[in-house]
Amino acid sequence: EIVLTQSPATLSLSPGERATLSCRASQSVSVYIAWYQQKPGQAPRLLISDASNRATGIPARFSGSGSGTDFTLTISSLEPEDFAVYYCQQRSYWPITFGEGTRLEIK
Amino acid sequence: QLRLQESGPGLVKPSETLSLTCTVSGGSISSSDYFWGWIRQPPGKGLEWIGYIYYSGSTYYNPSLKSRVTISIDTSKNQFSLKLSSVTAADTAVYFCARDLKQLVSLDYWGQGTLVTVSS
Repeated sequence: EIVLTQSPATLSLSPGERATLSCRASQSVSVYIAWYQQKPGQAPRLLISDASNRATGIPARFSGSGSGTDFTLTISSLEPEDFAVYYCQQRSYWPITFGEGTRLEIK
Repeated sequence: QLRLQESGPGLVKPSETLSLTCTVSGGSISSSDYFWGWIRQPPGKGLEWIGYIYYSGSTYYNPSLKSRVTISIDTSKNQFSLKLSSVTAADTAVYFCARDLKQLVSLDYWGQGTLVTVSS
């Protein structure tokens, strides 16, 4: 099973700042990583597919990069609505696995 | 606009079988472009993939749950279902159904989720 390790567990930033979230895979998953945003009481929302493809309707301030074992989700300038939990997910190998999440909180 | 809606009992007794259905509207479940799946989230914790089904009936299960899970599909009703047997308190979670676009790593549509509590 592929283990995805997200860091940091919690990130405290202010609106307007740049956020960099990391996801590291226990072995290469090529580019088969997605990123999701989840707010309390809501289902996850797809942000990025295949490491760097922004999903429909996702603002340009969200970007994804990486390949192999190291991946990054960057939010260029935080808006108040961006404070949430972010998960990475791989589908390079069965079973599908998710990272433990990074909580992005307001500083 | 595609919509997924979970339905089923919110309370299940230990050792019994959890049964949920996901009804898909606004699109066909019979498309070869998608997997249809179940993901769960225990209260305050992260996401766990349970399994997928393809329109043909092919299934993919999480090995950690495989002995207890059955996912089925009813294309005539545009629904797919989850059964999880021999439940314990550890199976208490919000259960989401979702669509996965095969061509990309992307669970692009999700149901709102339904809380299932395992308790006597």
